[in-house]
Amino acid sequence: GQSLEQPSEVTAVEGAIVQINCTYQTSGFYGLSWYQQHDGGAPTFLSYNALDGLEETGRFSSFLSRSDSYGYLLLQELQMKDSASYFCAVRGGYQKVTFGTGTKLQVIP
Amino acid sequence: KAGVTQTPRYLIKTRGQQVTLSCSPISGHRSVSWYQQTPGQGLQFLFEYFSETQRNKGNFPGRFSGRQFSNSRSEMNVSTLELGDSALYLCASRGGRGDDGELFFGEGSRLTVL
Repeated sequence: GQSLEQPSEVTAVEGAIVQINCTYQTSGFYGLSWYQQHDGGAPTFLSYNALDGLEETGRFSSFLSRSDSYGYLLLQELQMKDSASYFCAVRGGYQKVTFGTGTKLQVIP
Repeated sequence: KAGVTQTPRYLIKTRGQQVTLSCSPISGHRSVSWYQQTPGQGLQFLFEYFSETQRNKGNFPGRFSGRQFSNSRSEMNVSTLELGDSALYLCASRGGRGDDGELFFGEGSRLTVL
């Protein structure tokens, strides 16, 4: 089967940097994705890592280490609008995508 | 281009009834997947369809079923509703080569079972 673990809640100060970790156990691995979901909204895609290393997209970066079955999402220059839930997701065998239970990020002034 | 459209957005049913939810993917997308979202449980995978064929299925009872039509629109059905089926049901489509891993989600159908 597949399982993903990420912290349930994180609090950070506006303007700071926060890292959200994700560890996974999967049968088959093609890539790790990150999604953002605001309360009452639909999840929206942030990033995808198929290979080891860091991917940067503006204020957001995502890292993957396949040997450690580990990845993280790094959010820099935090803004109040970044308060949301963040989900990691693994694309495994047969294109199946499995999501973690999500990390609720609260950005405080 | 238009995003993923789900209908209805909200619905209330009673135990024992059945419900059908609809999802229209982004034009040109052939893969449609369904997820159940409940507080604290994240997104639980229900099933995925590609070109009218179910390609993957999650660990849900047989009361949950789905199908995909030739125009890629998809429906999911839940029969003999239980209180625990109350959730947000999200549909996502994926297109192209799928190598970038991006799923495009609809706003969801919020089901309340009384």
